[in-house]
Amino acid sequence: EVQLVESGGGLVQPGGSLRLSCAASGFTFTDYWMHWVRLDPGKGLVWVSRINRDGYGKTYADSVKGRFVISRDNAKSTLYLQLNSLRADDTGVYYCTRAPVATSGVVTANFDYWGQGSLVTVSS
Amino acid sequence: DIQVTQSPSFLSASVGNRVTITCQASQDISNYLNWYQRKPGRAPKLLISDASNLETGVPSRFSGSGSGTEFTLTISSMQPEDIGTYYCQQYDVLVSFGGGTRVEI
Repeated sequence: EVQLVESGGGLVQPGGSLRLSCAASGFTFTDYWMHWVRLDPGKGLVWVSRINRDGYGKTYADSVKGRFVISRDNAKSTLYLQLNSLRADDTGVYYCTRAPVATSGVVTANFDYWGQGSLVTVSS
Repeated sequence: DIQVTQSPSFLSASVGNRVTITCQASQDISNYLNWYQRKPGRAPKLLISDASNLETGVPSRFSGSGSGTEFTLTISSMQPEDIGTYYCQQYDVLVSFGGGTRVEI
């Protein structure tokens, strides 16, 4: 059974930091690109970041570029998101999700499995 | 960046009614468009991939169509369990989501 289990959320003051983890099981972790998506209370779903299968290719939404860092440990089948210089508008539920590469070679964003979500609240 | 505009933002439907949600991309995204359903307290669920491919286990009353810049999600006969918020998502250039459509009975 495919499972993605997030941890590490919580309440943090503006300017603070958190590290989210996402433990994957039930599938070959290295077959998938991995993404973080935030459920924003006012904006709905917001894409945050992605990382390729070997961990060397990383992309970020403009709103988090320079503040967040995505990484993965393929030996541990775990995805991470380091959140720095947090702002109130970073508040939300953070989901990790996986995206397959199509047989054609196209890198998809067909998010077929999601974690349960980890709540991050940025407030003083 | 590619903007994805979803409409309407809210709709109320009766059981058995046909429901249509549209998504417009700011530029041609071919068929790189997915649809998700989200219910309160739960993670989003992938319904339709690549504009028109129904995911395994999703009821056949759901369908997707379109290509280029205009896309549609249709529920042929609204059921009580279909309440929730629906999102379109493009992945032609990075990833972005539409603003969501809240569907109620």
